[in-house]
Amino acid sequence: QSVLTQPPSVSAAPGQKVTISCSGSSTNIGKNYVSWFQQFPGTAPKLLIYETYKRPSGIPDRFSGSKSGTAATLAITGLQTGDEADYFCGTWDSSLSVFWVFGGGTKLTVL
Amino acid sequence: EVQLVQSGAEVKKPGESLRISCKGSGYTFTNNWINWVRQMPGKGLEWMGRIDPSDSYSNYAPSFEGHVTFSADKSFSTAYLQWRTLKVADTAIYYCARQNCDGDCKPDFWGQGTLVTVSS
Repeated sequence: QSVLTQPPSVSAAPGQKVTISCSGSSTNIGKNYVSWFQQFPGTAPKLLIYETYKRPSGIPDRFSGSKSGTAATLAITGLQTGDEADYFCGTWDSSLSVFWVFGGGTKLTVL
Repeated sequence: EVQLVQSGAEVKKPGESLRISCKGSGYTFTNNWINWVRQMPGKGLEWMGRIDPSDSYSNYAPSFEGHVTFSADKSFSTAYLQWRTLKVADTAIYYCARQNCDGDCKPDFWGQGTLVTVSS
């Protein structure tokens, strides 16, 4: 059971917009920045969003992040078949000691 | 170019010991912590902990404390993840990831992963 809760799967058609939620608590998302990672099958995760809404160099602006209270959201617009991957949220948690936590991951299917 | 290159796949028996490695290049290795992340077959990412290569100070996630050990050799720009007694449940892909603390601290560059298979 992951500390951060994500839907197991989402789907949408090419060109459409999809959002992936990440629900946490006051000890993690409620007080810290959120990162998002993209993972294709058989490859390592890749940083997609950091500090809740910033994009590393090379990440298209079709990907955006936001946060409200103890929940974060990743939005992907103009969906492409190449976006089909697993997406994980992550942040720091300070409930017992300071450690990093991930969401359980969301499989994005582009129909 | 920042790169983390991990050691190759391993097949071990329960009870055996193992050490896998993660070599950093393209940046000053001692300036960034290294995170270790486990991904069991078909499952999500689990943070195991992190090590500061400058002094080998480590934080362990509660689920992994006492079962694994992190170490680092800054002269070789390499971090290590070690088990003294492997279990079948340790079968997973293990990733190292550099921690970037420009602003918030987050894992930015990741190694390619090391598949560890533990089977009798």
